[in-house]
Amino acid sequence: GEDVEQSLFLSVREGDSSVINCTYTDSSSTYLYWYKQEPGAGLQLLTYIFSNMDMKQDQRLTVLLNKKDKHLSLRIADTQTGDSAIYFCAESIKTGRRALTFGSGTRLQVQP
Amino acid sequence: EAGVTQSPTHLIKTRGQQATLRCSPISGHTSVYWYQQALGLGLQFLLWYDEGEERNRGNFPPRFSGRQFPNYSSELNVNALELEDSALYLCASSYRTGSDTQYFGPGTRLTVL
Repeated sequence: GEDVEQSLFLSVREGDSSVINCTYTDSSSTYLYWYKQEPGAGLQLLTYIFSNMDMKQDQRLTVLLNKKDKHLSLRIADTQTGDSAIYFCAESIKTGRRALTFGSGTRLQVQP
Repeated sequence: EAGVTQSPTHLIKTRGQQATLRCSPISGHTSVYWYQQALGLGLQFLLWYDEGEERNRGNFPPRFSGRQFPNYSSELNVNALELEDSALYLCASSYRTGSDTQYFGPGTRLTVL
């Protein structure tokens, strides 16, 4: 079945790197996504990785995928106060439902 | 390029009433998805529409329904509102083929009193 898990909270200092972790259970996942949600707002797509990739880098963001352990991580380099938000990991299975299954979200707090 | 738009931003209803939420997808996208983000329950998939047809629905009762219009915009209708329907309702759109990456709108905050 589908289940995506994330830790609930992460606190870092401005300028440090943040690493947000996610585990998923469905081995048929084809795409894995990271979304950002600021208070009172919708979801902003940050990045995604196809399941046959190990790593993807996009400016300050690095996504690492360990398919064997079904573990996904998002690293934010040089974290800024504007990065404070809730970060959601989501998996997509291309065939069938087409629905995203989301983790519970990790609240990132960046301290000045 | 305009993103996904949703209206209204906020909606206040009383128990037993009906609510209608609207969504316009990104130009060129034919698939529209609805999600519910209720406090303590996370983000849950509600419905998927593509080319005017309901393609899939999540684990929600039939009083949650909707439709997709020829211009690919969509409506979500919630009948016989219950207090626990209070949530942020998010709409997303994607292309039908390819990576089908979903882009989200700002949401409609529904409050049921």
